[in-house]
Amino acid sequence: GESVGLHLPTLSVQEGDNSIINCAYSNSASDYFIWYKQESGKGPQFIIDIRSNMDKRQGQRVTVLLNKTVKHLSLQIAATQPGDSAVYFCAENIGNAGNMLTFGGGTRLMVKP
Amino acid sequence: NAGVMQNPRHLVRRRGQEARLRCSPMKGHSHVYWYRQLPEEGLKFMVYLQKENIIDESGMPKERFSAEFPKEGPSILRIQQVVRGDSAAYFCASSPRQGAAGNTEAFFGQGTRLTVV
Repeated sequence: GESVGLHLPTLSVQEGDNSIINCAYSNSASDYFIWYKQESGKGPQFIIDIRSNMDKRQGQRVTVLLNKTVKHLSLQIAATQPGDSAVYFCAENIGNAGNMLTFGGGTRLMVKP
Repeated sequence: NAGVMQNPRHLVRRRGQEARLRCSPMKGHSHVYWYRQLPEEGLKFMVYLQKENIIDESGMPKERFSAEFPKEGPSILRIQQVVRGDSAAYFCASSPRQGAAGNTEAFFGQGTRLTVV
């Protein structure tokens, strides 16, 4: 289940199940979105990106959905594995040039064996 | 092709000292970004640089913080007269020149964890 408290929201899933992580973004003018995975003590690692002219993009075991009407992003991970345990952040591009990003608050994914 | 290299990985400074954080972008990347992350929070944009130019510093505190990306050598984030509130993880990202299609992926380093005692 999903919980929200003083710390990061946490999503606990059973190994092999599918995971869905949600994110609401702030700027309706943003046109580029990225999902990052961050393991403890490490930097963010690129997972998948999507531009605003698309509503869905698939990668290996991951799918990103974009709903511009309600400014909502989701990351779907198929057949979740223990190695997927990490904090996941969505990020939106805030600049007209370059890759200045606004990050969301993050969701901790815990995979139970 | 080495990734984005940041050093040191951990830095401890006493209040009032200076902190210098270094970032070497990936080979061929000319755009560098610095972000700050507090525990249990997302990254916050600080500054965007290209070689010898600051492009956007809208996320930088007005005092004590400065950044540079010289023609030769790494990008440096400098924090003068550090205070306990500066304790955080500082991440650098780099990307190649912006392509015709628009934004391109930014690659992050492993970060420098600054602790002010």
